[in-house]
Amino acid sequence: DTGVSQDPRHKITKRGQNVTFRCDPISEHNRLYWYRQTLGQGPEFLTYFQNEAQLEKSRLLSDRFSAERPKGSFSTLEIQRTEQGDSAMYLCASSLGGRQAKGYNEQFFGPGTRLTVL
Amino acid sequence: DAKTTQPNSMESNEEEPVHLPCNHSTISGTDYIHWYRQLPSQGPEYVIHGLTSNVNNRMASLAIAEDRKSSTLILHRATLRDAAVYYCILRDSDFGNEKLTFGTGTRLTIIP
Repeated sequence: DTGVSQDPRHKITKRGQNVTFRCDPISEHNRLYWYRQTLGQGPEFLTYFQNEAQLEKSRLLSDRFSAERPKGSFSTLEIQRTEQGDSAMYLCASSLGGRQAKGYNEQFFGPGTRLTVL
Repeated sequence: DAKTTQPNSMESNEEEPVHLPCNHSTISGTDYIHWYRQLPSQGPEYVIHGLTSNVNNRMASLAIAEDRKSSTLILHRATLRDAAVYYCILRDSDFGNEKLTFGTGTRLTIIP
């Protein structure tokens, strides 16, 4: 399978613990996005990378959230001191972008990591 | 990004055409209309996009009103696999690789 993969698929944690999610994009894609989705709502943009550079962060991304893409391939999203309000589905997507993009390049989404904070 | 309005839910019978409407009265001249859908327990997937002219691909057709204030996603022959939440998104770019701003979408139920 050459699609976007995310690990773990499910995570249950206690309030105050730190959690880290991983996203492996489609190999030739230079852009990687993180979104968060709560029940009954559409996904909300959190941040995106072009190669290893983090180009945009949403106001939703509080100081407790940090995302990295150190070698321009996989990415990690860490949430420190989790709160119950962090319970959501965390979605990763990838695409071609910038000078590598010719014409329309849609975003390809992974299956998501469902986080439950008790 | 300009705002879109979609019905919360729709139902359709299997093997019949489905017309999913989207209103975007504040659309600007450079906004493209994009559709993504999200199947149960999966991430969203791209369906189709367009600017002014009607568009067709293997998944669906996109009909855009002449004044561009509304559009309709057409599934020509719905199957059970088309049951999903459909999102209509406006973006000021043709390249599809900037952030997406999702609304709440239309939940489509297919009746066998």
